[in-house]
Amino acid sequence: AQSVSQHNHHVILSEAASLELGCNYSYGGTVNLFWYVQYPGQHLQLLLKYFSGDPLVKGIKGFEAEFIKSKFSFNLRKPSVQWSDTAEYFCAVALTGGGNKLTFGTGTQLKVEL
Amino acid sequence: EAGVAQSPRYKIIEKRQSVAFWCNPISGHATLYWYQQILGQGPKLLIQFQNNGVVDDSQLPKDRFSAERLKGVDSTLKIQPAKLEDSAVYLCASSLEYLTDKQFFGPGTRLTVL
Repeated sequence: AQSVSQHNHHVILSEAASLELGCNYSYGGTVNLFWYVQYPGQHLQLLLKYFSGDPLVKGIKGFEAEFIKSKFSFNLRKPSVQWSDTAEYFCAVALTGGGNKLTFGTGTQLKVEL
Repeated sequence: EAGVAQSPRYKIIEKRQSVAFWCNPISGHATLYWYQQILGQGPKLLIQFQNNGVVDDSQLPKDRFSAERLKGVDSTLKIQPAKLEDSAVYLCASSLEYLTDKQFFGPGTRLTVL
């Protein structure tokens, strides 16, 4: 069965610091990759996704993620975080052609301090 | 555009009692998902509907959980009887039939089983 690992459970950064959240998955087939975000008091929402093509994907609010197939990784990055980026971030994987049934990681709680 | 609606938002019951959750997806979304999110974990897919048919219920504990979407619009998830380990947030999501890569999540129902 496929699984998703997010190694950083809690991250605390100061504003303007750079962010990188790790995500690794275990599945040998072709996958679609996602990052979802849940801001305090809000619904889970899609941040960005990768299906094919350029392995560097840009999402909303200045976030980007890089798919490295050889490392089974899809790390999320942002060069300069803001206080408003405080949220929980979930990496998710779906099998290509599998109706996008998502398998989520355990999430990373990001706190950005002023 | 109205989002995915769920009710109730919170529910507290005792073990062995029954409980039901309701979800109304975004208008026109043929695909509906129920997820279970236990504290400290990512959401886990319980069941996926396409219109009123079940696409995947492989992770639904069928001895106690049931779900239906009789008219292909709103859906109900039931637990009978509840166990302590069912305490979780139950999330409903929906997507367009052929755009399952973008799921829209509701606010969730937080269930506490005492």
